Amino acid sequence: DAKTTQPPSMDCAEGRAANLPCNHSTISGNEYVYWYRQIHSQGPQYIIHGLKNNETNEMASLIITEDRKSSTLILPHATLRDTAVYYCIVRGADGLTFGKGTHLIIQP
Amino acid sequence: DSGVTQTPKHLITATGQRVTLRCSPRSGDLSVYWYQQSLDQGLQFLIQYYNGEERAKGNILERFSAQQFPDLHSELNLSSLELGDSALYFCASVEGGTGELFFGEGSRLTVL
Repeated sequence: DAKTTQPPSMDCAEGRAANLPCNHSTISGNEYVYWYRQIHSQGPQYIIHGLKNNETNEMASLIITEDRKSSTLILPHATLRDTAVYYCIVRGADGLTFGKGTHLIIQP
Repeated sequence: DSGVTQTPKHLITATGQRVTLRCSPRSGDLSVYWYQQSLDQGLQFLIQYYNGEERAKGNILERFSAQQFPDLHSELNLSSLELGDSALYFCASVEGGTGELFFGEGSRLTVL
């Protein structure tokens, strides 16, 4: 699996859009980008995934650059309950390796 | 509720002991992943099973072993426990169509 790089922490004001970046410069053509989040010590929760096209669901939007070397997860209207560690993962055929993620703190 | 069940939720044991953690995947999911998360660390992939067969191996110690049974539940066996094995152990099953992982709530192991 390709390696990902994320900032260790970010702050965002409540009600604003939270934009979480991820670099995955060694991504292969058939590898998907997945985003998960982990609130406190609960099991990680799936957010969204994509291959080439931008994706949107009820939780977030995923913007993948044209060269696929980076992506951005967007939480459009962040709430205090969105405070969590967000993991960007590039998934190949086997395994799913999580890095340390980005600790997103939503400020009231 | 992800549909993935892990037991026990909490376990306290002593160094040198052996424990077994159990995972029941979501109904219909054939693949099970095990992860270890130490304090303030990311999730470390340990091992993956698919329909009873080992599919991929990560940073799993030789003191650890796992298996997946015909009913698709999986067990992670940790032996000769050390203080550093204290961690949260997560199991996840995979939705075949999307590849989405569904995680259980974890088993918190404390080795004293």
